[in-house]
Amino acid sequence: QSALTQPASVSGSPGQSITISCTGTSSDVGGYNYVSWYQHHPGKAPKLMIYEVSNRPSGVSNRFSGSKSGNTASLTISGLQAEDEADYYCSSYTSSSIHVFGTGTKVTVL
Amino acid sequence: EVQLLESGGGLVQPGGSLRLSCAASGFTFSSYVMSWVRQAPGKGLEWVSTLSASGAGTYYADSVKGRFTISRDNSKNTLYLQMNSPRVEDTAVYYCAKGKVKTTVITPFDYWGQGTLVTVSS
Repeated sequence: QSALTQPASVSGSPGQSITISCTGTSSDVGGYNYVSWYQHHPGKAPKLMIYEVSNRPSGVSNRFSGSKSGNTASLTISGLQAEDEADYYCSSYTSSSIHVFGTGTKVTVL
Repeated sequence: EVQLLESGGGLVQPGGSLRLSCAASGFTFSSYVMSWVRQAPGKGLEWVSTLSASGAGTYYADSVKGRFTISRDNSKNTLYLQMNSPRVEDTAVYYCAKGKVKTTVITPFDYWGQGTLVTVSS
């Protein structure tokens, strides 16, 4: 199972909005509404930010939102803040192996 | 408060064996799917294995199938990963993760441990 494709890096200024894409196939992202997004600050435990494409767990800021179109899912961070600087990973259910992660995107706040 | 504490990492020779543990607290461990996810140095997250709440259903990434075994002891609230015949490419930080949904293995991971480093080298 190949990793889902994400841009290596995305950057934005404080207050701006950025979008991270996550591209898979009809066997994973496109075939199921089981896309999740995780925030990972190096050295810390990853944190679930979005699940089932667009649902936010309790306690996650509403500045984070998710969507999907075809084989591509997206995470949008609005009102970018310094604390949002981290690595972000998408994940999807896949018919071949249950879970597959994306390649990861480093978000930089300029 | 949910807590997951991994242990057992360290240096292991290629072809050797190592057992990782994950001690869970703050939730009804026996009701939830549990998983292992790893991150090799400088690389992204990689799903390794998932185990159903009862322990009856096991799922593995192709990269570890036949070499690693996931298990749990619900009486001790502990998840395990037995790593047999590890390879250099298994070097990574291994995270224990809790499933968000009780009823299915198709669940996101809502809590993660801090990870334990496994280094496979001669």
